[in-house]
This record gives sequence, C-alpha cells and structure tokens, in this order.
Amino acid sequence: GQQLNQSPQSMFIQEGEDVSMNCTSSSIFNTWLWYKQDPGEGPVLLIALYKAGELTSNGRLTAQFGITRKDSFLNISASIPSDVGIYFCAGQLKNNNDMRFGAGTRLTVKP
Amino acid sequence: GAVVSQHPSWVICKSGTSVKIECRSLDFQATTMFWYRQFPKQSLMLMATSNEGSKATYEQGVEKDKFLINHASLTLSTLTVTSAHPEDSSFYICSARLQGARGSPLHFGNGTRLTVT
Repeated sequence: GQQLNQSPQSMFIQEGEDVSMNCTSSSIFNTWLWYKQDPGEGPVLLIALYKAGELTSNGRLTAQFGITRKDSFLNISASIPSDVGIYFCAGQLKNNNDMRFGAGTRLTVKP
Repeated sequence: GAVVSQHPSWVICKSGTSVKIECRSLDFQATTMFWYRQFPKQSLMLMATSNEGSKATYEQGVEKDKFLINHASLTLSTLTVTSAHPEDSSFYICSARLQGARGSPLHFGNGTRLTVT
C-alpha cells in the first residue's frame, strides 16, 4: 500500500525543548492527521489538516500540510513530561476511505 | 463527542479458543469502522474495513476466516479471532468515522490486548 515515511523514529529531549517530526510520501494525500498514542491505549487525534499549505495549531502543537500534498510536519514547543508517547502521522488518499499510518516517532522527555 | 468504546480492554485465552472484541461508536453513527493490529513498538496495520450491512473488506494477507468481522448496526462492529494461537497475541484497535463524513478524522477505541497462551 501507500507508504508513509515518518522520522525521526525516536527522540530523547530535555523538558522545555522544542520538537519537530515529519512524514513524507511518494503519494499525494487528501488529508493529513497527527495522532498521539500513550502505552496501552488507542491513538488520540491531535491535529487534522485538509488543505495543501494549511498550518494549524493546537496549544503547543503546530502542524502543516505540505504544498506538494506529499508531506507534513508536527512541531511541539516547550515540551513537558506528559508529551511522552508515540506520535503517528496518518494520511488519507483522495477517494479512499481508509487511512495509512507512519511508523511513529517515540518521544521521551527528560525532566 | 465522537467517542469510540472498545471491549474488552484486555483478554487472555487458551490456544484454540475464539475471542470476540466489540467496537462501539457511543455518540455517533458509523457506516464504516476499521480494525487495526499493532505489534509492540510498531505502527498500526489495517486489517479490514467493516461495512454496516455488508461484508467486510480485508487487507491482503489477512485471513477472513480467521478474523471474522460483523457490523450489524451503525454503532457496533465485532471482530472475532477464531481458533486463536499464540502468534495472534497482539494489540487490536478499532476506529470509526462519522457517517457520511468521508475524509473526516478517524476516532479510535482504546484497544484490546489479546494474549493467547
């Protein structure tokens, strides 16, 4: 299926630092989403992007839908310990009903 | 809004038995629900798309006779792992989208951890 390349695979940062992660694909996506998953739980939606070039914020989180429709990034500013978890990007193809997920970025925040 | 409830949250069963996992959309109707499987430290792998009132669509490599899906109402889909084996042990997650809202985000249940002994 259509592959999403998410990087980095993992990050170890100090509390207060900013974080950036991204997803790229060879396919054009209609929608980009960013989810966070805590251990033993299902993913929770953070930000949804619907238009190329769209830049959306949710508190300390900011995500952008790339102009080419083939990539997206997520930034977290001033990280805190509860930001720890796995962040997944997800893309939906046009005229397709399901989502494809990146491999995830495992974030560790040291107090 | 858009709450998806999954039950049970964990289950331990013996090899050879069958296990049923339920996925409910609590405050919305979902024509389509999705079932994913996740191994430790890996991403979500789509297993099948569950369609209300019709047969599920399975991804390549997923045995439809092994993983039975029933979507009898607009708020409930079930996944039954038949004749479970230890290699079926995994984290199973369902998701749903608002009916008629193609392109809207998926909302996920909290997952079911299956352990087959």
